[in-house]
Amino acid sequence: QVQLVQSAPEVKKPGSSVKVSCKVSASSFSKYAISWVRQAPGQGLEWMGEIIPIFDTTNYAQRFQGRVTITADESRSTVNMELSRLKSEDTAVYYCARGGGNYGSPSWFDPWGQGTQVTVSS
Amino acid sequence: QSVLTQPPSVSAAPGQKVTISCSGSSSNIGKNYVAWYQQLPGTAPKLLIYDNNERPSGIPDRFSGSKSGTSATLGITGLQTGDEADYYCGTWDSRLSAVVFGGGTKLTVL
Repeated sequence: QVQLVQSAPEVKKPGSSVKVSCKVSASSFSKYAISWVRQAPGQGLEWMGEIIPIFDTTNYAQRFQGRVTITADESRSTVNMELSRLKSEDTAVYYCARGGGNYGSPSWFDPWGQGTQVTVSS
Repeated sequence: QSVLTQPPSVSAAPGQKVTISCSGSSSNIGKNYVAWYQQLPGTAPKLLIYDNNERPSGIPDRFSGSKSGTSATLGITGLQTGDEADYYCGTWDSRLSAVVFGGGTKLTVL
């Protein structure tokens, strides 16, 4: 049974960076592909990218390339997502989720973390 | 503008059946599995259907999924007030090399 627990809410200034963490409670942490999905206020879901620790690979959505970095800390069974050069439009709830289906092309997500609110405001 | 197209809202009476459509293209729904999620207000999405029509353990058989060509459909029978939520479809897009979602459908149980 996989459980995902995320870090606390963050308030950041425009132009800064934010790092959100996701603690993965499961045996064989490294075999799980973990994705990050965000949801702006009143909007739908947007996939940002994923990491597959067992292969030490990452895959990012085009629109976030160069601005997002997803890393895995196997000693802490934690996946981190760092988003840089923040803008007000990055204000959203950020979710981590275990990806299912094929490695590198997830077709479903289960379970999801509880979400982390990131607010970007001057 | 979402890659997958869903109706913004649907409604039906308790006990009735409702369907939610999800339209895509040959690069996403046309060649990959579709999943459906339920998002209750203020909570994280929850997987309802994966691989077009499979239900995870614990999801009642009132929820069903189907796919034909470049469209997918979520069906919910025996509607309950607790089913009021936003529903999202999602799949892999082979051209974009990214997961894509529909814009979400708000279900109201009248």
